[in-house]
Amino acid sequence: SQWGEENLQALSIQEGEDVTMNCSYKTYTTVVHWYRQDSGRGPALIILIRSNEREKRSGRLRATLDTSSQSSSLSITAAQCEDTAVYFCAHGGSGNKLIFGTGTLLSVKP
Amino acid sequence: GALVYQYPRRTICKSGTSMRMECQAVGFQATSVAWYRQSPQKTFELIALSTVNSAIKYEQNFTQEKFPISHPNLSFSSMTVLNAYLEDRGLYLCGARDRGVDERLFFGHGTKLSVL
Repeated sequence: SQWGEENLQALSIQEGEDVTMNCSYKTYTTVVHWYRQDSGRGPALIILIRSNEREKRSGRLRATLDTSSQSSSLSITAAQCEDTAVYFCAHGGSGNKLIFGTGTLLSVKP
Repeated sequence: GALVYQYPRRTICKSGTSMRMECQAVGFQATSVAWYRQSPQKTFELIALSTVNSAIKYEQNFTQEKFPISHPNLSFSSMTVLNAYLEDRGLYLCGARDRGVDERLFFGHGTKLSVL
């Protein structure tokens, strides 16, 4: 899980496979953001899921949020090479702060 | 669409000197701007959160004396790294929020700071 880890995690999969990345958080939050960061660029939001949404989909992406276990996941179905990036979860902290996890480096190989 | 331009993209400064980076929001009103530093290992550190018409809030280990920030209007923010040393190296990212949308941050490409 990203917030529980100190270091960037790495996942390597083959094109066409499904993959799930997990986050767990310690402080109460009502919204979890998922960002992807491509090499040489800043992060870009891909999915935002709220506490009243257990699941949210966007194309091949699916995010879940379980407030009881304080965890969130991001799944990519039929991954493609262009999905290669670093994926971050982030949650709101006090005073409108956004706190990022340590990230997952996803490599999708042809 | 909402875009954030950040410049310079890269900068190299001598140890002990200072450098200024700028962040421009286009297509939306940046009611708040968060400045982060990202390490080579991709770890994010929040430096400060600036909200228009409110005081800038710095995180622990970051001070106004070291990282002065200006946020004069809803489209522009700047931050200076004063007396930069090796430990200040990293990718500095500004993330802007349009309160009229939701809680997401729109990020620029970042300013990569190298210190010699």
